[in-house]
Amino acid sequence: DAGITQSPRHKVTETGTPVTLRCHQTENHRYMYWYRQDPGHGLRLIHYSYGVKDTDKGEVSDGYSVSRSKTEDFLLTLESATSSQTSVYFCAISDSRAYNSPLHFGNGTRLTVT
Amino acid sequence: AQSVSQHNHHVILSEAASLELGCNYSYGGTVNLFWYVQYPGQHLQLLLKYFSGDPLVKGIKGFEAEFIKSKFSFNLRKPSVQWSDTAEYFCAVYNTNAGKSTFGDGTTLTVKP
Repeated sequence: DAGITQSPRHKVTETGTPVTLRCHQTENHRYMYWYRQDPGHGLRLIHYSYGVKDTDKGEVSDGYSVSRSKTEDFLLTLESATSSQTSVYFCAISDSRAYNSPLHFGNGTRLTVT
Repeated sequence: AQSVSQHNHHVILSEAASLELGCNYSYGGTVNLFWYVQYPGQHLQLLLKYFSGDPLVKGIKGFEAEFIKSKFSFNLRKPSVQWSDTAEYFCAVYNTNAGKSTFGDGTTLTVKP
């Protein structure tokens, strides 16, 4: 398995509080992604990064921000958590934009906003 | 914007039955196609992928998929399923221009022993 560590694995937080999820990789891959997984919606891209300090929005970016100050770390922040952000969050990495590079996923973070 | 449609939300089969899961995508440009599998409580793993060449691709654990360009489809098949194939299956399309993958909503497969 690719060296991807997500932390925390589980978190319960209250509405209105800020939350930061961390994705750490040891593969030195250039591309990193944050997805959320919800029943009936599959995986939806929140934000992604194509290099240090280079990030872009995905399809469900409202309420989320990201930062990538080092190749190995990609942080996802919920600025003011809402109940609609209760979900399982997956970080993924890929080697390049080349066609032959699939995504490798972390084990996920289960976030509950009460 | 590209989209991916998986027709079956939940499929229930008995062991040894044949499996076919449908996947259609909407994007006219060059795409790369993937099937991922998520076993209960685990993260997604690559099952197989198609980039070019032979439209029939073989993946791990006896799975295969056929790319039919004219139908914008990439259906997943397995001749004989096992109980251990119980999982959720996701079809994904990678847009080489945008550098992003779009996933279908997933199909939950339950195989009864």
